[in-house]
Amino acid sequence: QSALTQPASVSGSPGQSITISCTGTTSDVGSYNYLSWYQQHPGRAPKLIIHAVDNRPSEVSNRFSGSKSGNTASLTISGLQAEDEADYYCCSYTTSDTYVFGTGTKVTVL
Amino acid sequence: QVQLQESGPGLVKPSETLSLTCSVSDDSISSYYWSWIRQPPGKGLEWIGFIFNDGRSSYNPSLKSRVNIRIDTSKNRFSLKLNSVTAADTAVYYCARGFPFDLWGRGTLVTVSS
Repeated sequence: QSALTQPASVSGSPGQSITISCTGTTSDVGSYNYLSWYQQHPGRAPKLIIHAVDNRPSEVSNRFSGSKSGNTASLTISGLQAEDEADYYCCSYTTSDTYVFGTGTKVTVL
Repeated sequence: QVQLQESGPGLVKPSETLSLTCSVSDDSISSYYWSWIRQPPGKGLEWIGFIFNDGRSSYNPSLKSRVNIRIDTSKNRFSLKLNSVTAADTAVYYCARGFPFDLWGRGTLVTVSS
């Protein structure tokens, strides 16, 4: 299975909104809503921020939102803050009963 | 609050078997799927495989021939064995709960080197 495709880097100024794409195939992203997003700060374990495409755990800021269209999912961070600078990964269930992560996106707050 | 803790050797020789254990701090091990995920230094996340309490498992096709994940519900822990390791298996190994992966261990660095 191939990793889901994400842009290597995305940047924005404080207060702006940015969107990270996650492109898969009909064997993963396009087949299920079992699509989640993770935030990882340097030296730390990943943290779940979005699950089932557009659901946010209660402890996660409402500045994070998710969506999906066809084989592509997206994560939007609105009102960008310095603390949002991190790596972000999408992950999808697949038709082979496996999971696959995205290639990862480094978010830089200018 | 439930916690996960990875444990095992931090150094493994090439061609040998990497063995790790993930301890779950309460008795919820029978209620979830449990996964192993790794991250080579400076690189992205790679899902290795999962196991359920009935022993049902699934593995990343790229690792399937070398991986075995087992669960011991009596001891609230599950384990990973990866055989015939090479330098490419050097990574931080995480254990995680469920899907979505809503709870992660801190991770443990395993280096493959002679």
